[in-house]
Amino acid sequence: QVQLVQSGSEVKKPGSSVKVSCRVSGGTFNSYSLYWVRQAPGQGLEWVGRIIPILGTTNYAQKVQGRVTITADKSTSTAYMEVNSLRSDDTAVYYCARAYDVVVPAAMGVWGKGTTVIVSS
Amino acid sequence: QTVVTQEPSFSVSPGGTVTLTCGLSSGSVSTSDYPGWYQQTPGQAPRTLIYNTNSRSSGVPDRFSGSILGNKAALTITGAQADDESDYYCVLYMGSGIWVFGGGTKVTVL
Repeated sequence: QVQLVQSGSEVKKPGSSVKVSCRVSGGTFNSYSLYWVRQAPGQGLEWVGRIIPILGTTNYAQKVQGRVTITADKSTSTAYMEVNSLRSDDTAVYYCARAYDVVVPAAMGVWGKGTTVIVSS
Repeated sequence: QTVVTQEPSFSVSPGGTVTLTCGLSSGSVSTSDYPGWYQQTPGQAPRTLIYNTNSRSSGVPDRFSGSILGNKAALTITGAQADDESDYYCVLYMGSGIWVFGGGTKVTVL
């Protein structure tokens, strides 16, 4: 069955960058939208952005536009999310999720376990 | 900017029925917004319950159902059990590749 394996926790200084990875195993990678969702401590889920690997198409939430870049490596079935100019309010658990179907649009289906990113001086 | 609205909290008795809703600050929710519903317990990743308004994800019990009720998307839990006590989030498609989550509903079973 499909599994999404995320990279480990990160602690970063304000103003620096972080790059989180999400490898898809046991299923198709290229044709499905791959989403990034974050959750700040004690807060709800926040949609960050998505990529369709086969097209290279990306979309971002207005709040993070310009600071977040999502990419995909089709050869390793791995998606990446890089956040630049980190601020304290970027502290969150970052989840990747694959769409439930190849059709577009299709909401999040299978989820990774999450990657904790802490931004602290 | 459009806000997706959910009730902050709900309480349901064991065996009871509860309906959570997901609306828009302006306008109505329809199947063209492709509503999804997710369950999350503390410290865990979200679990997909419903996608595309009313399709249950694999392994989800049939006591969870999705629909459009009036001008909102709805998640109904019929015959609530203790382990249904969780946070529930909806997500809606806004067009142009953009999705927005609601603020979540905390469900207590007591």
